[in-house]
Amino acid sequence: NAGVTQTPKFQVLKTGQSMTLQCAQDMNHEYMSWYRQDPGMGLRLIHYSVGAGITDQGEVPNGYNVSRSTTEDFPLRLLSAAPSQTSVYFCASTKDGGNEQFFGPGTRLTVL
Amino acid sequence: DAKTTQPPSMDCAEGRAANLPCNHSTISGNEYVYWYRQIHSQGPQYIIHGLKNNETNEMASLIITEDRKSSTLILPHATLRDTAVYYCIVKTSGTYKYIFGTGTRLKVLA
Repeated sequence: NAGVTQTPKFQVLKTGQSMTLQCAQDMNHEYMSWYRQDPGMGLRLIHYSVGAGITDQGEVPNGYNVSRSTTEDFPLRLLSAAPSQTSVYFCASTKDGGNEQFFGPGTRLTVL
Repeated sequence: DAKTTQPPSMDCAEGRAANLPCNHSTISGNEYVYWYRQIHSQGPQYIIHGLKNNETNEMASLIITEDRKSSTLILPHATLRDTAVYYCIVKTSGTYKYIFGTGTRLKVLA
């Protein structure tokens, strides 16, 4: 199993650009989520999904969109990037109600 | 979900036990205590979780006080590779909103 994979590893955007961060898992996990981590801070939940076709907002959802058309994939879209979205983004998945989350390696995003 | 309080940093000598405390005085009866760690800039890694009984696995032990208002994560023989930020999280099992906080930065010294 590859586990949770994220692409790209690094990305630089200009203010106003849009992009999609990709996340995929091959463990048949129902639950997937996106976090952001700013320097010196803990992780903050952006959006999560409890299954294909079902998504919900976390602590900091503004400026981000998600969709979940398959069990495996959970992309995160930045509609119009802002410097405040410079952060490291982690995707995670879990099988059974959140007892053990498996995290991807992260995407380091810089918005100029 | 209840909030947690952890010391910002701790040191531990290599080979000794590392005891990481966490206060969660407002924990409710159906909330579990979870521990994760984050090594350098990697994604967090699950360590252990428990409700009210002490738990042990191959990585660590979790000791929860009888009133459940605090807990301690024990790494029995810390190694340099255990240097990381350790997060204590309180969450209702079956829900999905983890609140991570800023954790404890553990430094294992040679």
